[in-house]
Amino acid sequence: SAVISQKPSRDICQRGTSLTIQCQVDSQVTMMFWYRQQPGQSLTLIATANQGSEATYESGFVIDKFPISRPNLTFSTLTVSNLSPEDSSIYLCSVESGGVETQYFGPGTRLLVL
Amino acid sequence: KNEVEQSPQNLTAQEGEFITINCSYSVGISALHWLQQHPGGGIVSLFMLSSGKKKHGRLIATINIQEKHSSLHITASHPRDSAVYICAVKGQGAQKLVFGQGTRLTINP
Repeated sequence: SAVISQKPSRDICQRGTSLTIQCQVDSQVTMMFWYRQQPGQSLTLIATANQGSEATYESGFVIDKFPISRPNLTFSTLTVSNLSPEDSSIYLCSVESGGVETQYFGPGTRLLVL
Repeated sequence: KNEVEQSPQNLTAQEGEFITINCSYSVGISALHWLQQHPGGGIVSLFMLSSGKKKHGRLIATINIQEKHSSLHITASHPRDSAVYICAVKGQGAQKLVFGQGTRLTINP
């Protein structure tokens, strides 16, 4: 199994600022996923982060807006830059662990942009 | 049409009732996940299925690969089961999950 923690759990930010979200896993994992969940919506994949390589972004998401770091096999950060109210969402970190492809999710970071 | 469709979108029931949530998908898959999301936002993985049936406590998940359909059942439902239940599939050869819209379940005491 994998236990994931995220910081911060929630934040209120002003328009035009940035927020960096940290994701820590209690075991080494190859792939980490960052998701966004807008109010009332399901999860949308932002990017996949592999250690030692550039993150792979999904259509509609760009590195300038959502820079990602993956310095080692247990940690990643997602920055949401130049915040606007449309960025108000829950941001979730997720990993696959174990030979049966079980998916684990962090507790999420709830962001409100004013 | 979404790749993953869930029904119903909303479900309200009385404590003790048997609950069924359905998930249909349109692509060949390597795995299907059932997830539970509580109001605080955190997501818990309930089941990962590639065939057959799994049971954990009062929860049962089944999948029919030929019909591209899965069901999540809750027996003897309880107010603490109130949450959003999300079906997600991983296509064959794919790295990422595709998510359904979720089913909001409310169990009244």
